[in-house]
Amino acid sequence: EMQLVESGGGSVQPGRSLRLTCAASGFMFDDYAMHWVRQAPGKGLEWVSVISWNSDAIGYAESVKGRFTISRDNAKKSVYLEMKNVRPEDTALYYCAKEGMGDLDYWGQGTLVTVSS
Amino acid sequence: QSALTQPASVSGSRGQSITISCTGTSSDVGNTNFVSWYQHHPGNAPKLLIYEGIKRPSGVSNRFSAFKSGNTASLTISGLQAEDEADYYCCSYVRSSIWVFGAGTKVTVL
Repeated sequence: EMQLVESGGGSVQPGRSLRLTCAASGFMFDDYAMHWVRQAPGKGLEWVSVISWNSDAIGYAESVKGRFTISRDNAKKSVYLEMKNVRPEDTALYYCAKEGMGDLDYWGQGTLVTVSS
Repeated sequence: QSALTQPASVSGSRGQSITISCTGTSSDVGNTNFVSWYQHHPGNAPKLLIYEGIKRPSGVSNRFSAFKSGNTASLTISGLQAEDEADYYCCSYVRSSIWVFGAGTKVTVL
């Protein structure tokens, strides 16, 4: 059974750092690009970042560029989101998602990040 | 990259059909086949409903259909049911590993 399990969320002060992890199982992880998508309280889904299967292609939303870094370890079947200099507007439920045919065909349950002093 | 434009809310009675629009630009929706739609019940993970603009994954009800023309994509839900009450999002590939979601549409079943 395909599974994506996010972890690493929590409460963090503005300006600090946090690292999210998404552990995958049940599919050939190193064949697929992986994404992070977030949903702030009361808001819609916002695409955050993508990393290709071999880490050659990486993209970020403008709202996080320069502060967030996506990476992956295919041996550990995991994708990461390093969040630096976090802001209150980064408060959200962060989802990890597997890319299929130009879509996000499987999602985890999310990990909650709260940025507050 | 601005969010794709969707109506904030759409409602319909049980058994009726409703259509949700998703308007982008010639740089995103109008320039790719990679337009997808998601159903999101709060508290659950989003679910893929439509990929490549019009295709339905295995296991998704045929009451969900989609269409794309120019810069606008549309999702139609036929035979509206209570369980269809959820938030719906479109998503488009833009360029060079950049993607964008629509603002989301809340569907209410009357």
